[in-house]
Amino acid sequence: AQSVSQHNHHVILSEAASLELGCNYSYGGTVNLFWYVQYPGQHLQLLLKYFSGDPLVKGIKGFEAEFIKSKFSFNLRKPSVQWSDTAEYFCAVNGAGGFKTIFGAGTRLFVKA
Amino acid sequence: EAQVTQNPRYLITVTGKKLTVTCSQNMNHEYMSWYRQDPGLGLRQIYYSMNVEVTDKGDVPEGYKVSRKEKRNFPLILESPSPNQTSLYFCASSLRTQVQETQYFGPGTRLLVL
Repeated sequence: AQSVSQHNHHVILSEAASLELGCNYSYGGTVNLFWYVQYPGQHLQLLLKYFSGDPLVKGIKGFEAEFIKSKFSFNLRKPSVQWSDTAEYFCAVNGAGGFKTIFGAGTRLFVKA
Repeated sequence: EAQVTQNPRYLITVTGKKLTVTCSQNMNHEYMSWYRQDPGLGLRQIYYSMNVEVTDKGDVPEGYKVSRKEKRNFPLILESPSPNQTSLYFCASSLRTQVQETQYFGPGTRLLVL
């Protein structure tokens, strides 16, 4: 069955701490991978995406993610978080040429000032 | 400005009273989709449309209908809403090429069914 698993539902960090949010997927065939962010009261915004090529993807606001095909993982990282990174983060996958997108349950990040 | 708009943004209704949530995009995207967001479950795809007059079910289509008569509009219809359809709904449109896709989300519609 197609699924996306995000390891942590809630993460609390202090400013300047490093961040890594886990994402594992189950999806047949070639995949496209995404991380979205949802700030409080706002709609989803794309942070970064992977389609092919370099498995280390850089996105906006200093975020990056690494696609490890052998582990079916696409973890999100940021070396130093800020208070303004407080938000909910969603990992998502769809198949190349397909139209169904599967989202993870989300990880709520709270950054203490 | 490129955007996806949804109306209404907030809606309170009663069980069984038909309602429609509109979605419109101004980016000439072929692909549009509806999601519902529930705590602990993330976003689940309700329906999607690959182009005008072409729609298909997502993961949770029961109790919903859609139509795609024009490229820019993709309304979500609840013929007989029930309390378990209380949720936050997002419409999205995307530009898809052979090598990549980017989805643009609307601001969301918060629905309460009493």
